[in-house]
Amino acid sequence: QVQLVQSGAEVKKPGASVKVSCKASGYTFTRYAMHWVRQAPGQRPEWMGRINAGNDNTKYSQKFQGRVTITKDTSASTVYMQLSSLRSEDTAVYYCARDPDYRGSGMNLWGQGTTVTVSS
Amino acid sequence: SHELTQPPSVSVSPGRTAIITCSGVKLDHNYACWYQQKPGQSPVLVIYQDDKRPSGIPERFSGSNSRNTATLTISGTQAVDEADYYCQSWDSSTGVVFGGGTKLTVL
Repeated sequence: QVQLVQSGAEVKKPGASVKVSCKASGYTFTRYAMHWVRQAPGQRPEWMGRINAGNDNTKYSQKFQGRVTITKDTSASTVYMQLSSLRSEDTAVYYCARDPDYRGSGMNLWGQGTTVTVSS
Repeated sequence: SHELTQPPSVSVSPGRTAIITCSGVKLDHNYACWYQQKPGQSPVLVIYQDDKRPSGIPERFSGSNSRNTATLTISGTQAVDEADYYCQSWDSSTGVVFGGGTKLTVL
């Protein structure tokens, strides 16, 4: 079954870091890119960055540059997103999303989302 | 920057055609994609490369992109199509950009 399964909900204090995982199954992991997108309640999705699972190339949104790190473990078919220096505005649902990685291809498979709550 | 503007809401009667627009200067040089999102669910890709439907997406969903405006058209709209719709594009400097979203109501 082709799917992305994300790790469970997190509650963090301001200033802490969070690391969310996304395990892929049912397809060849290295043939796709993986994006991380977050969505605060009632807001539009917001792109954070992506990794090419075949060659480790990463690109980050300027908004999150320096605070977000996307990595992968090819042997485990898993992508990770770490966000540091958390603040209350980072409270959101975080999604991983697969991309066939050609021009205009779009994100054709999404994880179930991971709720991250930042509160003192 | 690469901004995408959508109408906040669109209403349509069942069986009629719903049209959702997405405007942005850089759509002239970049593809548009569209996502459907129902409450409490993850987004689902319904259109990619301006006008292509992924497998499993009903034929009533179609897309186009011309003169800085991408359009999602739902023909014969059904109650099950009620959802939020987001356009998305890509810019080499900005990265991925999403529109503000359109709430489609099927009355």
